[in-house]
Amino acid sequence: DSGVTQTPKHLITATGQRVTLRCSPRSGDLSVYWYQQSLDQGLQFLIQYYNGEERAKGNILERFSAQQFPDLHSELNLSSLELGDSALYFCASSVLAGGGRGELFFGEGSRLTVL
Amino acid sequence: DAKTTQPPSMDCAEGRAANLPCNHSTISGNEYVYWYRQIHSQGPQYIIHGLKNNETNEMASLIITEDRKSSTLILPHATLRDTAVYYCIVRENRDDKIIFGKGTRLHILP
Repeated sequence: DSGVTQTPKHLITATGQRVTLRCSPRSGDLSVYWYQQSLDQGLQFLIQYYNGEERAKGNILERFSAQQFPDLHSELNLSSLELGDSALYFCASSVLAGGGRGELFFGEGSRLTVL
Repeated sequence: DAKTTQPPSMDCAEGRAANLPCNHSTISGNEYVYWYRQIHSQGPQYIIHGLKNNETNEMASLIITEDRKSSTLILPHATLRDTAVYYCIVRENRDDKIIFGKGTRLHILP
């Protein structure tokens, strides 16, 4: 158990819909990362937050957005869903700078299926 | 883009040492080498990391060449449960954007 919690584990929805994926980082971790992994593909970096502020953006679509709340949990919002958005979405947390070893701790992912 | 190059796949016999290479020829002085693995569709798992010196923990050993342009992850006695995709990453500890490449798919053969 990595200590990172992601909900829901599975989600099936239709094209055009909107979903929200939630991530609770490990206790004490200030940084949250989101990744997308399509079938048999590598991990694509989407976005990173540190202590509530956006720190880095990857190839995140404009239809996607995220935020990190004061209690440090994070949400990834996916809207106007398309078939190609079907994927595993992973959240990871770490202690960033000033302490810790910098490794990422990943949740078990949220599997999104768009029909 | 990922800063590392890894073979797409490797086989290793069960009980033997698995040696997974990684090339990071453009690594800078303050970048660490990290290894993760992903078993099937589970969340990736941290294995080990190092800067200059070789490192060992309960999971694996990491050998970094003197010029730091390449490294090898060693699983000393591979088991079937070590079948996974192994990712090598270089990053500074303050990096905000952590990019994973395609990794090496390791097959452990019974």
